[in-house]
Amino acid sequence: KAGVTQTPRYLIKTRGQQVTLSCSPISGHRSVSWYQQTPGQGLQFLFEYFSETQRNKGNFPGRFSGRQFSNSRSEMNVSTLELGDSALYLCASSLAGVRGSGYTFGSGTRLTVV
Amino acid sequence: KNEVEQSPQNLTAQEGEFITINCSYSVGISALHWLQQHPGGGIVSLFMLSSGKKKHGRLIATINIQEKHSSLHITASHPRDSAVYICAENRDDKIIFGKGTRLHILP
Repeated sequence: KAGVTQTPRYLIKTRGQQVTLSCSPISGHRSVSWYQQTPGQGLQFLFEYFSETQRNKGNFPGRFSGRQFSNSRSEMNVSTLELGDSALYLCASSLAGVRGSGYTFGSGTRLTVV
Repeated sequence: KNEVEQSPQNLTAQEGEFITINCSYSVGISALHWLQQHPGGGIVSLFMLSSGKKKHGRLIATINIQEKHSSLHITASHPRDSAVYICAENRDDKIIFGKGTRLHILP
């Protein structure tokens, strides 16, 4: 079966711009969670969507938002980009969510803000 | 302060050695995950544990709820096991990650 697909793989944006990242989960998975990975902070949980509803949220400013569509695909949006937003953004899908039996990660989108 | 502590931060070993990576957490959790990240960023979920022990091939994960401690063991280590191993805890419907252990297996 197809894995978790994230697009685009690489992205370069300018400070102040906004960006939208996409994540297509494994077919049948209803939970999509998003993570930010930076050299300084490591992996950090952004939020989780389950059946089109945001179920959990990490400690990130309101510039970071997301949504999930009826086909379980999810998008993450970052507005007013800052240099510190440069990171690898990963999504993961699972059947039952972060409390479930495990999740499958996508390959990530590497965002560079200049 | 990161509430998930991993040790060691870096580990270099010879092929064939038995590897142990440790993870300690500070409060009660619903589950603990072990993840593997290869160069280039791809992450694979290895185990999710809430009690006891799980085994998959040469990988073994254990958790001691009373001591708030988990270990990941690799038997007969191989250069392809070289990666960053990350433990993560489920707490209050959030996931908190350790900083990772960078493992390098020499041929």
